[in-house]
Amino acid sequence: GDSVTQMEGPVTLSEEAFLTINCTYTATGYPSLFWYVQYPGEGLQLLLKATKADDKGSNKGFEATYRKETTSFHLEKGSVQVSDSAVYFCALSDRGGAQKLVFGQGTRLTINP
Amino acid sequence: DAGVTQSPTHLIKTRGQQVTLRCSPKSGHDTVSWYQQALGQGPQFIFQYYEEEERQRGNFPDRFSGHQFPNYSSELNVNALLLGDSALYLCASSFNVPGIKTFFTEAFFGQGTRLTVV
Repeated sequence: GDSVTQMEGPVTLSEEAFLTINCTYTATGYPSLFWYVQYPGEGLQLLLKATKADDKGSNKGFEATYRKETTSFHLEKGSVQVSDSAVYFCALSDRGGAQKLVFGQGTRLTINP
Repeated sequence: DAGVTQSPTHLIKTRGQQVTLRCSPKSGHDTVSWYQQALGQGPQFIFQYYEEEERQRGNFPDRFSGHQFPNYSSELNVNALLLGDSALYLCASSFNVPGIKTFFTEAFFGQGTRLTVV
């Protein structure tokens, strides 16, 4: 079945550092790809998405590019802030199905001032 | 505009009991999905409801059942609770584009119900 693999965490960075969180996927179809963020004590918020190869999703300074050839969707940000501390989830959905989301295990990010 | 609302926020139950969790979708949404998120893990898909029917189901036992009402709100029921059912239960809503049964808008999540089984 479909699956998502994220880089193991936790990740700790200093403020203004460059961030990369790796995500690779396995899917039988042509999925849509997502990054969700979960702040402490809250549900999931959609951060960005991409629906076809070479699409770049972006939001709040975060970016991720849908790479079909490497089955990857790595999350990047050029300069992180303390407020970016959260858990980040990579996910996919089979666009041909009922939009069931398959999530990675999550990466906890901590930004120190 | 209220987003996805879930109730209760926290719940403590005893092993063997039954529990019902509730979800009201975002205004304008007609599809509700339920996910289980164990501590330190990513959410796992339980099932999805559309037009008051279960459309798709994940790898969860029959102890997990659900219902969708005409106003699109939904309930998740879990019978014969096990310690391993302790988790954050998330509800997500979306909109099925009319005429295209396989196309949905993005999912919006509620804050979840934290279930603890003791």
